[in-house]
Amino acid sequence: DADVTQTPRNRITKTGKRIMLECSQTKGHDRMYWYRQDPGLGLRLIYYSFDVKDINKGEISDGYSVSRQAQAKFSLSLESAIPNQTALYFCATSAQDRRPTDTQYFGPGTRLTVL
Amino acid sequence: KQEVTQIPAALSVPEGENLVLNCSFTDSAIYNLQWFRQDPGKGLTSLLLIQSSQREQTSGRLNASLDKSSGRSTLYIAASQPGDSATYLCAVQSYNTDKLIFGTGTRLQVFP
Repeated sequence: DADVTQTPRNRITKTGKRIMLECSQTKGHDRMYWYRQDPGLGLRLIYYSFDVKDINKGEISDGYSVSRQAQAKFSLSLESAIPNQTALYFCATSAQDRRPTDTQYFGPGTRLTVL
Repeated sequence: KQEVTQIPAALSVPEGENLVLNCSFTDSAIYNLQWFRQDPGKGLTSLLLIQSSQREQTSGRLNASLDKSSGRSTLYIAASQPGDSATYLCAVQSYNTDKLIFGTGTRLQVFP
């Protein structure tokens, strides 16, 4: 089974709807991240969490909110979706101890389309 | 603000060719530099991670080099195969943050 899972994998919704994207991990990592990927812009960080009680805004947090329900679960919400939030969304995790050899482990992504 | 650029944006080569992907970054105060591979529907997979104190890392047919002073890294793929077709992303992690800053990627197609 995959270490980092995302649900749903694809979602089409309408402007103004509330959407929640979910991420679960079995790696036992404390740190979790949400990114979005747009053509020509690479991945950009939306929110990140170092543990259940520590949540931080990333580069592009406006229009998004997150919830860290448990060490293994990190959800991203769009309270009122708009078309320019159409993108590929990735969840990632990393270990607690910050070492120069640490990498992030990514989920398969959620493709969101807002009409 | 750290910025990461990848050239070329797309590359199409015949099977068997050796190729080089380029990555440049603006702030040399990095913790590490990573190369990821992105396949459609499968997320990102870490290929190589070079610590700031290292000059290169190798894994199989892949070799990544790092020149921190000039803000450059290259990913060398030897004897390319159709299975290497994917998007390759470069990302840097700065000393003062745990965030990864990604480049826009190079989309590679290797045809038989």
